[in-house]
Amino acid sequence: EDQVTQSPEALRLQEGESSSLNCSYTVSGLRGLFWYRQDPGKGPEFLFTLYSAGEEKEKERLKATLTKKESFLHITAPKPEDSATYLCAVPANAGGTSYGKLTFGQGTILTVHP
Amino acid sequence: DGGITQSPKYLFRKEGQNVTLSCEQNLNHDAMYWYRQDPGQGLRLIYYSQIVNDFQKGDIAEGYSVSREKKESFPLTVTSAQKNPTAFYLCASRETARETQYFGPGTRLLVL
Repeated sequence: EDQVTQSPEALRLQEGESSSLNCSYTVSGLRGLFWYRQDPGKGPEFLFTLYSAGEEKEKERLKATLTKKESFLHITAPKPEDSATYLCAVPANAGGTSYGKLTFGQGTILTVHP
Repeated sequence: DGGITQSPKYLFRKEGQNVTLSCEQNLNHDAMYWYRQDPGQGLRLIYYSQIVNDFQKGDIAEGYSVSREKKESFPLTVTSAQKNPTAFYLCASRETARETQYFGPGTRLLVL
């Protein structure tokens, strides 16, 4: 069964204090790994898709990387507006066809203090 | 602007009542999804539809029903059989050729 585990559950940083969030996955035949940002009371906002080990993508202060077992979301010099829940997800694998179902991790709640 | 809209933002259900949550998209996506989000839990799939007039149960379909009569619309009905309906409901859509799903703003359902 596909599994996605995110750590830590919560992370508190000072403004400017860089850190990383982890997403470990167990899935046969990875067809992508997705990172989303979710603000309280809102729907998840798509950030990145990574397809293969070694791939990296960047957006402002965020950089996502992928290995064969996990993905990291690096946050460089965070600002208070980066505070949110960060979710990772992988397409489920059911006999080689996912039908688009995503398996989500529990999320990491990031709080950045000024 | 292309996107996904959900309405209402908040919905109150009385015991024994069926309620319907709306989801509309103008992204021309074929596939649409309904997820439920509870505090401390990841998103869980309720129903999905890959094409008009076709839909399948997800992991937690009991107490819910859907229809897909138009490509743009995928309404979710929370029936009286769903005994614990209080949650944040999210609709998503996807292009058939890509895996990335895009989400709407969500509907919060509360029980009176």
